[in-house]
Amino acid sequence: GAVVSQHPSRVICKSGTSVKIECRSLDFQATTMFWYRQFPKKSLMLMATSNEGSKATYEQGVEKDKFLINHASLTLSTLTVTSAHPEDSSFYICSARDHRGGEKLFFGSGTQLSVL
Amino acid sequence: GENVEQHPSTLSVQEGDSAVIKCTYSDSASNYFPWYKQELGKRPQLIIDIRSNVGEKKDQRIAVTLNKTAKHFSLHITETQPEDSAVYFCAAINTGFQKLVFGTGTRLLVSP
Repeated sequence: GAVVSQHPSRVICKSGTSVKIECRSLDFQATTMFWYRQFPKKSLMLMATSNEGSKATYEQGVEKDKFLINHASLTLSTLTVTSAHPEDSSFYICSARDHRGGEKLFFGSGTQLSVL
Repeated sequence: GENVEQHPSTLSVQEGDSAVIKCTYSDSASNYFPWYKQELGKRPQLIIDIRSNVGEKKDQRIAVTLNKTAKHFSLHITETQPEDSAVYFCAAINTGFQKLVFGTGTRLLVSP
């Protein structure tokens, strides 16, 4: 089946630094990828929709300058948390849909970000 | 936009009992409804899904029902086992708009 690889799985950083998270579709091409954020014991909240070759579409309340998304190829999307602060600590997870169609979303393994 | 509500938030059952989780959605244009199982710190795993042109779907011990008129859908797990313990999320999507909206989650605990 379709595989989405996400790295790193866990990152601890100091407040004020930036962190980049990568999401790769390994055996399919994804024109669209989605970035979610999940707080402990909470649901997955969509942050933004990443479109290959164009600007990401951010959900209401998500700061685009804080969470930079780049989707430079059909198999790679990156999320950069800029000037991270403790309140940015969360579980970030990406998902992708095969460009050939179908409704199913394939999820990355997630990144646990802890900002000290 | 779409809003998905899910109940109950926690569900405790004895091994062998059935478990039912219910969700309602707001956007009548939603046409695909997946269910995910998520273990702590792991990615959500698709366990079953249903499209809007189908009323019921079953896969071994898992079944999903959909009532388009009432805009609600349910997950049914029969003969529950301890390894079914996890958080379950329903979701809804209008595939024309692509955005998948998740329910609030149900923590299922199956006691031996």
